[in-house]
Amino acid sequence: GAGVSQSPSNKVTEKGKDVELRCDPISGHTALYWYRQSLGQGLEFLIYFQGNSAPDKSGLPSDRFSAERTGGSVSTLTIQRTQQEDSAVYLCASSAGTGLEGGYTFGSGTRLTVV
Amino acid sequence: DQQVKQNSPSLSVQEGRISILNCDYTNSMFDYFLWYKKYPAEGPTFLISISSIKDKNEDGRFTVFLNKSAKHLSLHIVPSQPGDSAVYFCAASEGNTPLVFGKGTRLSVIA
Repeated sequence: GAGVSQSPSNKVTEKGKDVELRCDPISGHTALYWYRQSLGQGLEFLIYFQGNSAPDKSGLPSDRFSAERTGGSVSTLTIQRTQQEDSAVYLCASSAGTGLEGGYTFGSGTRLTVV
Repeated sequence: DQQVKQNSPSLSVQEGRISILNCDYTNSMFDYFLWYKKYPAEGPTFLISISSIKDKNEDGRFTVFLNKSAKHLSLHIVPSQPGDSAVYFCAASEGNTPLVFGKGTRLSVIA
């Protein structure tokens, strides 16, 4: 597609429920990243996929968080047993190669609210 | 511990004047730096980048300066326009690792 697409744009869930967030990257981009932005904070790295390599999961805050990328394209971020501190905007980005010269292309994000 | 710091949460500038946004970092191994701009309810958009082998990169109204000895970079916008009002994020990478972002500076350009 023309840009990075994320769905849903907004999600309200009850504490303890599981949620799935979807990211559709730019076609042909080999790298895919998940970040989150909590209120008043910067972007916090969560996980990174590059081609067929094992993902870099070093930013995942707990084992309740997991992500997969199927067929080198669409990615799903899953949060199990959501907690109120999981409330944030979850941003997905993709890039061709390392994305350093031209930057990552971000989606508009999913605003997650845990009540 | 924050590796990328933007110590000014906000900045107001008159239209037509220069905006200077600052960023400090602690990791001397960072070798690539980027600036992003973010409007409300949108994802960040890439503005300009600089490699650690350079000390300046310019693109139109935007110039990024890098001072490696001081571990400091700045983004200059001149002349500033009302449409430049947004949150600006500084980001850095070490050896192609995922970008580390600062907390952002909200720029308001007053007409």
